[in-house]
Amino acid sequence: GAGVSQTPSNKVTEKGKYVELRCDPISGHTALYWYRQSLGQGPEFLIYFQGTGAADDSGLPNDRFFAVRPEGSVSTLKIQRTERGDSAVYLCASSLGGIYNEQFFGPGTRLTVL
Amino acid sequence: AQSVAQPEDQVNVAEGNPLTVKCTYSVSGNPYLFWYVQYPNRGLQFLLKYITGDNLVKGSYGFEAEFNKSQTSFHLKKPSALVSDSALYFCAVSVRTGTYKYIFGTGTRLKVLA
Repeated sequence: GAGVSQTPSNKVTEKGKYVELRCDPISGHTALYWYRQSLGQGPEFLIYFQGTGAADDSGLPNDRFFAVRPEGSVSTLKIQRTERGDSAVYLCASSLGGIYNEQFFGPGTRLTVL
Repeated sequence: AQSVAQPEDQVNVAEGNPLTVKCTYSVSGNPYLFWYVQYPNRGLQFLLKYITGDNLVKGSYGFEAEFNKSQTSFHLKKPSALVSDSALYFCAVSVRTGTYKYIFGTGTRLKVLA
């Protein structure tokens, strides 16, 4: 079946611009996660949705980052006033719900801020 | 602070030999432990998990891991390595202590030599 998909696969933007990254989870998965992965590092947790609501957004680095999941399926990660330090691969994952369930990861969006 | 450590950046092993990739953790509360693998140009894939019960868990592709509570470790093992096992391996811990935490290690690159 279809896995987790993310669009775009690559995004190049200029410092100060606004970007949106999209995640389409596996159908039926109630939990959705966003991570950020920098070169040579493991994924860094950003936010976790259970259904439509953010169950935990403690990993968002600052108020320039925001994520939504209005219908409990597709999610969008929004970054305002991008900075060069935001450059990374942004990963999305989904699971059946519960922090004891394994997550299924998308291929990621590589964001480059010039 | 909650953390996951993978002390080896790279592990080299000859094909047919047993392999071990190390992981230790430091968290408060009861952890759920996971191993994921990342092949070049592919997303993270789930290998195995420990939730409760038998300390030795078996997963995909012949991998297994042993949960050791006293040593707070969850080392990944395989009795006989294959060249195709060469990849980047991540240990992860999930725990809920007020807020939700899903913490990844920095990864260990496994190179299996023919």
